[in-house]
Amino acid sequence: AQKITQTQPGMFVQEKEAVTLDCTYDTSDQSYGLFWYKQPSSGEMIFLIYQGSYDEQNATEGRYSLNFQKARKSANLVISASQLGDSAMYFCAMRGDRGSTLGRLYFGRGTQLTVWP
Amino acid sequence: NAGVTQTPKFRVLKTGQSMTLLCAQDMNHEYMYWYRQDPGMGLRLIHYSVGEGTTAKGEVPDGYNVSRLKKQNFLLGLESAAPSQTSVYFCASMPATDFSNQPQHFGDGTRLSIL
Repeated sequence: AQKITQTQPGMFVQEKEAVTLDCTYDTSDQSYGLFWYKQPSSGEMIFLIYQGSYDEQNATEGRYSLNFQKARKSANLVISASQLGDSAMYFCAMRGDRGSTLGRLYFGRGTQLTVWP
Repeated sequence: NAGVTQTPKFRVLKTGQSMTLLCAQDMNHEYMYWYRQDPGMGLRLIHYSVGEGTTAKGEVPDGYNVSRLKKQNFLLGLESAAPSQTSVYFCASMPATDFSNQPQHFGDGTRLSIL
């Protein structure tokens, strides 16, 4: 079974500062993927970034980067130069290998990020 | 660019009523999923489908049924609604190819209240 843990129910950051949102995972699969989604107050789920278990480099997408530490089973999201529009709920999710999970995602409970001016 | 469309967006039901939530995707995706989101719980998988005519149970399937008669549509049914099914329901889809790094594409959600 796959398990995702997000230990920060809420985080606060000042505009233009960087912030790290924590995510740890547990799986027995050798191949897996880690995803981060953003959910603004309007409710939609927006895909941000992906990291594969065999990727040697940390994933980056614009101001988003994923600090992947495989031995520690952590996949923290780093948002650089925070903007007011980054205020949202952030979910970490993982997918195991095809045979065991058929594409389904396992989600953490989320971290509510508030960016203040 | 419709992507994944969920109808309705909001609905209020009385306990014991039935209803069907519709999910339609125009991306020719093989895999489709229904999740529910409750405060403090993240998203939990209800049912999913890996192709037309196939469905399978997820983590929290009790009280729900699904059907996938056409590849583009995935229906979620509540036969006898209960207050515990008050939630926000999300549908998602993804292609079967290039499996590893494909994100799921989500609809905008259906907010359902059971009184």
